[in-house]
Amino acid sequence: GESVGLHLPTLSVQEGDNSIINCAYSNSASDYFIWYKQESGKGPQFIIDIRSNMDKRQGQRVTVLLNKTVKHLSLQIAATQPGDSAVYFCAENGGGADGLTFGKGTHLIIQP
Amino acid sequence: DAGVTQSPTHLIKTRGQHVTLRCSPISGHKSVSWYQQVLGQGPQFIFQYYEKEERGRGNFPDRFSARQFPNYSSELNVNALLLGDSALYLCASSLAGDTSYEQYFGPGTRLTVT
Repeated sequence: GESVGLHLPTLSVQEGDNSIINCAYSNSASDYFIWYKQESGKGPQFIIDIRSNMDKRQGQRVTVLLNKTVKHLSLQIAATQPGDSAVYFCAENGGGADGLTFGKGTHLIIQP
Repeated sequence: DAGVTQSPTHLIKTRGQHVTLRCSPISGHKSVSWYQQVLGQGPQFIFQYYEKEERGRGNFPDRFSARQFPNYSSELNVNALLLGDSALYLCASSLAGDTSYEQYFGPGTRLTVT
């Protein structure tokens, strides 16, 4: 079946550097995408979303880029901090009411 | 305002037993969705309810059922528990019934089946 997948399971970056987490999706019917952050023992925390009629959206220290041509989504985190250490998931809505489809996640590790 | 709340936090059950998990959405949100998250994987969609009606169902057996109450809170029921049902069960709430709205997750209920 169609699914959302992430390119790298683990990403290690130096504190203060920028992080880029990538995600590939395959459901062309998806028109809404969300990035979530999940810390150990907690539920996913909404970070930022983007609709298919946009290719870029910025939040506080985060930017999401959407490339519909190659079905690629990325999350950029500026000036990473120790508190950014977590697993990051991208999710897509599949264009319908069958819930969000999540990838396996990328574990972001911030090195001091 | 309180976020999504779930109870209980942790639960240990034996194979064959039944379990009920509870969720209260964010005030003003009318849609509740349930997800199962197995360790090391992303959440997997189970059900969505909006205005007390089932709006969507994932690929889960009939042992899984849910309902939504007039106050928009929800229960997830799992019968005849299997070891493979051990997971973190997440509830998410959103304003409307389609999946083009922000979904906010609760802390989850950790279910262990022995």
